[in-house]
Amino acid sequence: NAGVTQTPKFQVLKTGQSMTLQCAQDMNHEYMSWYRQDPGMGLRLIHYSVGAGITDQGEVPNGYNVSRSTTEDFPLRLLSAAPSQTSVYFCASSLQRGGKGELFFGEGSRLTVL
Amino acid sequence: AQSVTQPDIHITVSEGASLELRCNYSYGATPYLFWYVQSPGQGLQLLLKYFSGDTLVQGIKGFEAEFKRSQSSFNLRKPSVHWSDAAEYFCAVVPYSGAGSYQLTFGKGTKLSVIP
Repeated sequence: NAGVTQTPKFQVLKTGQSMTLQCAQDMNHEYMSWYRQDPGMGLRLIHYSVGAGITDQGEVPNGYNVSRSTTEDFPLRLLSAAPSQTSVYFCASSLQRGGKGELFFGEGSRLTVL
Repeated sequence: AQSVTQPDIHITVSEGASLELRCNYSYGATPYLFWYVQSPGQGLQLLLKYFSGDTLVQGIKGFEAEFKRSQSSFNLRKPSVHWSDAAEYFCAVVPYSGAGSYQLTFGKGTKLSVIP
């Protein structure tokens, strides 16, 4: 059972480039989310989804797009990367929508924007 | 404003000593409360959670946490720390909504160092 799989683990971009961080889970979880982790800031929610075809914004959505075409996949797109998006990104999923579910995290994707 | 606060950025303890990590929240009603742990280079793992009922909850790896409504606190404790407990610990809350949305808000974390 792979759990939550994120790719790539490391990525270096130049300012203005675009890229997609991939996230896949094999636990049939309805809820999926993306967080970014910055030193001294904890984890901040970027976008989340409560099911296929449904997405919503979190605390820091600007500069990021998401889609949820299947239950398993929840990619995060950076359309025009900026140095402020240098961070470690975590995808997480949960079986339950209503706030009680344990979040299962991927191992993270470290992004550097030059 | 709603928030979750971990007052200690970094704590150092000796192996075998007891540990308490603090967490305070500011919400209108008692939220759902969680503690997660992050080992270096890894994602986060759930240690324990509190929704209602008994205010002392047991988690994995020998951790426990006590909910105190009067203090809006949910402090994490361990009686005897092991070197493998060195990690970063995050308190997290979900405002009680009853249905639908799920926005977990994390504190900024407390890094635990363990002296052999």
